[in-house]
Amino acid sequence: DAKTTQPPSMDCAEGRAANLPCNHSTISGNEYVYWYRQIHSQGPQYIIHGLKNNETNEMASLIITEDRKSSTLILPHATLRDTAVYYCIVRVEFKAAGNKLTFGGGTRVLVKP
Amino acid sequence: GAGVSQSPRYKVAKRGQDVALRCDPISGHVSLFWYQQALGQGPEFLTYFQNEAQLDKSGLPSDRFFAERPEGSVSTLKIQRTQQEDSAVYLCASSLAREWAGELFFGEGSRLTVL
Repeated sequence: DAKTTQPPSMDCAEGRAANLPCNHSTISGNEYVYWYRQIHSQGPQYIIHGLKNNETNEMASLIITEDRKSSTLILPHATLRDTAVYYCIVRVEFKAAGNKLTFGGGTRVLVKP
Repeated sequence: GAGVSQSPRYKVAKRGQDVALRCDPISGHVSLFWYQQALGQGPEFLTYFQNEAQLDKSGLPSDRFFAERPEGSVSTLKIQRTQQEDSAVYLCASSLAREWAGELFFGEGSRLTVL
């Protein structure tokens, strides 16, 4: 699975949009981009995933560049409860045995009042 | 409950003791994963089950680590002769399908401290 690069930390203001970047320059054509987040003392939580089109759900939006070498997770109106570590992961959607997700270091996001 | 349940939430063991950590996945979920998360790090894959079959144990750090899922539902991660470097949060996750692992549902983890 392709490696991802994320900034180690970032701050954002409550009520403002939070834009979390992720570089995945070695992504293959059949690899999806997934985002998970981990709030303190909890297990990781799925947020969103996409292949090449932009995606939106009730939690966030995912913008993937046309060359697919980078993406941005957007939290439209950050709240204090969005303070967490955010992980960007790329992998194929369907895989036989060994279909594990590989987590990197993530971005530690602190939402400030 | 509706989610993945893990027990105990906290475990303190003396070095050399054996420990067993339990995971109750979401009912009907075929796939089950164990991850280890050291302080300040991302989760690291340990092992994967598809029903009762352990299809990938490449992440188990040593032969002191053993996992089982005998009836394809509840799983136990056992660590023998615990060492201080085993101190970590152990996360269990499950998913509905065999191959599709896009959305894994994680438990809150079992925090193991080895003294």
